[in-house]
Amino acid sequence: GQQLNQSPQSMFIQEGEDVSMNCTSSSIFNTWLWYKQEPGEGPVLLIALYKAGELTSNGRLTAQFGITRKDSFLNISASIPSDVGIYFCAGQRHLYNQGGKLIFGQGTELSVKP
Amino acid sequence: GAVVSQHPSWVICKSGTSVKIECRSLDFQATTMFWYRQFPKKSLMLMATSNEGSKATYEQGVEKDKFLINHASLTLSTLTVTSAHPEDSSFYICSASTQGNEKLFFGSGTQLSVL
Repeated sequence: GQQLNQSPQSMFIQEGEDVSMNCTSSSIFNTWLWYKQEPGEGPVLLIALYKAGELTSNGRLTAQFGITRKDSFLNISASIPSDVGIYFCAGQRHLYNQGGKLIFGQGTELSVKP
Repeated sequence: GAVVSQHPSWVICKSGTSVKIECRSLDFQATTMFWYRQFPKKSLMLMATSNEGSKATYEQGVEKDKFLINHASLTLSTLTVTSAHPEDSSFYICSASTQGNEKLFFGSGTQLSVL
């Protein structure tokens, strides 16, 4: 199935450092979402973006919906050990009778060294 | 926030048996539910979209006779892996969307291991 291009694939950083990851697509999405997944759990929504150019923050997290509607980035400032996990971007198209299905990026595995 | 309950959280079965996974929306009516499959440290791959009272729409490459989906009510969808084989071992996750598809919530996933 279709996937988004998410990078980097993994990151190993020191506690306190800032983190940036992004997703690109060849096609347009109506909504961009960022999720965090921990082992053995389903994804948990971090930030949802609904308009091109939108910049939204949630605590130390900031995400932007690209102007072209084909990309998005997520920044985490001043990382802490509990930020460890796999972060996924997801693009959503609101299609009739398909309830806005999500297409996921490949994920960015974040490791934070105390 | 809305809660989606997925059961069981893990299951081990013998090759050739069938396994049923349930996905329930606990405090909202889910007109649409989605089923995903995930391999270790890999992305979530959409398997199928199910709308209450109608046949599921399967993604390309997903065998509809292998992965039976039933969405009989607005709060319950089930995925049955028929005649399971070791290569079906994976993490299966459901999600449910609210009326108008404004929000999407994920279950906690089911780890299937086929021996």
